[in-house]
Amino acid sequence: EAQVTQNPRYLITVTGKKLTVTCSQNMNHEYMSWYRQDPGLGLRQIYYSMNVEVTDKGDVPEGYKVSRKEKRNFPLILESPSPNQTSLYFCASSLWRLAGGNEQFFGPGTRLTVL
Amino acid sequence: AQKITQTQPGMFVQEKEAVTLDCTYDTSDPSYGLFWYKQPSSGEMIFLIYQGSYDQQNATEGRYSLNFQKARKSANLVISASQLGDSAMYFCAGSSFGNEKLTFGTGTRLTIIP
Repeated sequence: EAQVTQNPRYLITVTGKKLTVTCSQNMNHEYMSWYRQDPGLGLRQIYYSMNVEVTDKGDVPEGYKVSRKEKRNFPLILESPSPNQTSLYFCASSLWRLAGGNEQFFGPGTRLTVL
Repeated sequence: AQKITQTQPGMFVQEKEAVTLDCTYDTSDPSYGLFWYKQPSSGEMIFLIYQGSYDQQNATEGRYSLNFQKARKSANLVISASQLGDSAMYFCAGSSFGNEKLTFGTGTRLTIIP
C-alpha cells in the first residue's frame, strides 16, 4: 500500500530533550516536506526536500533540523525542544514539484507536546 | 513571497446545497499553482483539486470545482450538492514555480446540516 508513515504518532517530552520524528514513504517520491499545524494558523511549512541531500527552509524552520540521506526517509530533528514547538506535525511527499500540480500525500500526523 | 487568505473561519450549509469556500492569494510570481485540501475530523489531509496559473480552464474534480479569477487573485472552491461527509476543515494552499515552498491559508471549517 502506497503510504507515508510517521513515528511516533504521539509524543510527550520535556524541554531540551532531543527528539527525532521519523518519516518514510514507499512511493519513490522526489519531494518531501514537514509541516506543523496550530489552531488558527493552518499548516506552516518547516522544511522541504527536492531530492536526496537537497533540503530547503520553509516558513518556520527555526528550532528544527532535517536530513535526506535516502530518498524514502526524511526525519525531523528537534535538538532542544521548547514548549512553543508543541504542535501537530505532518510529513508529506509528492512525486515531483508541487507547482506543477503534483498531489502531496500526507502522513497521519505526530502530536508533540513539550512540557 | 506568497500569502494565502481564507476569510471564512466557519460556514454552515444545508445538505444538497452548493457551497463556495473563498481563497485569495497574493504573489508576485508569474507562475504558480493553487491547491485545496480537506481535513476531516479524523485528522488526515486529503488533496482535492489543483489549478495552475496558466491553465486556461477552471479545474474540476467530480463535485469539486475551482473558480479561478486571476484578475481578482481568487481561487474559490465550489462543492456542488453538498453531503454530510463534506463536513471538514478546508485549506487553500499555493506554491510558485522555481520556489517549491507551499503556503497554506488558515482554513475554513465547513459544517453540513442535514
